[in-house]
Amino acid sequence: GAVVSQHPSRVICKSGTSVKIECRSLDFQATTMFWYRQFPKQSLMLMATSNEGSKATYEQGVEKDKFLINHASLTLSTLTVTSAHPEDSSFYICSASVGTDTQYFGPGTRLTVL
Amino acid sequence: AQKITQTQPGMFVQEKEAVTLDCTYDTSDPSYGLFWYKQPSSGEMIFLIYQGSYDQQNATEGRYSLNFQKARKSANLVISASQLGDSAMYFCAMRWVRGYQKVTFGTGTKLQVIP
Repeated sequence: GAVVSQHPSRVICKSGTSVKIECRSLDFQATTMFWYRQFPKQSLMLMATSNEGSKATYEQGVEKDKFLINHASLTLSTLTVTSAHPEDSSFYICSASVGTDTQYFGPGTRLTVL
Repeated sequence: AQKITQTQPGMFVQEKEAVTLDCTYDTSDPSYGLFWYKQPSSGEMIFLIYQGSYDQQNATEGRYSLNFQKARKSANLVISASQLGDSAMYFCAMRWVRGYQKVTFGTGTKLQVIP
């Protein structure tokens, strides 16, 4: 149990375009989903916390208008990188949890902006 | 502020030997949880083990055990009988209740198992 999927696993886009990443909890309902960003050989940095049906809470320094998060249901959250630029290239990972339980992570999405 | 420190950027261990990965933390919150995750080269974060701040016993999951020393604020991961497939990055992480379940990660330790 506790499987989280992400789609796509890898995406390459042109500068200026928008990219949507989906995060799904497959076998449980997640009250909270989290979005992280990971640069090469570095740790995970929390970008935002997303609760179903409410606005996401962004960490300091993360642009809300740049990284749009929608948590439409208890099993789906989406991250849209708007007007992507090369500096947005990174590994994006989502996680999902139920209440105070362990966070389970998706396999990640590698975004490359040309 | 909550902080997780992993002082070993890289570790080597002989296959079938045990290895300890260090993790210390700092928090003023009396209620928190400590996690270890494994990240192989594929990138996926794999949950290994969890220890709650009020748990009396050290957590164990198969070959993984967590050496929880609350007074020292340390939560070291012990991997017994290392296998080649254990080669990966290992992250220690902490969740604190007053942080609305947010998780802070350490910088990670790269473990390489030598045949």
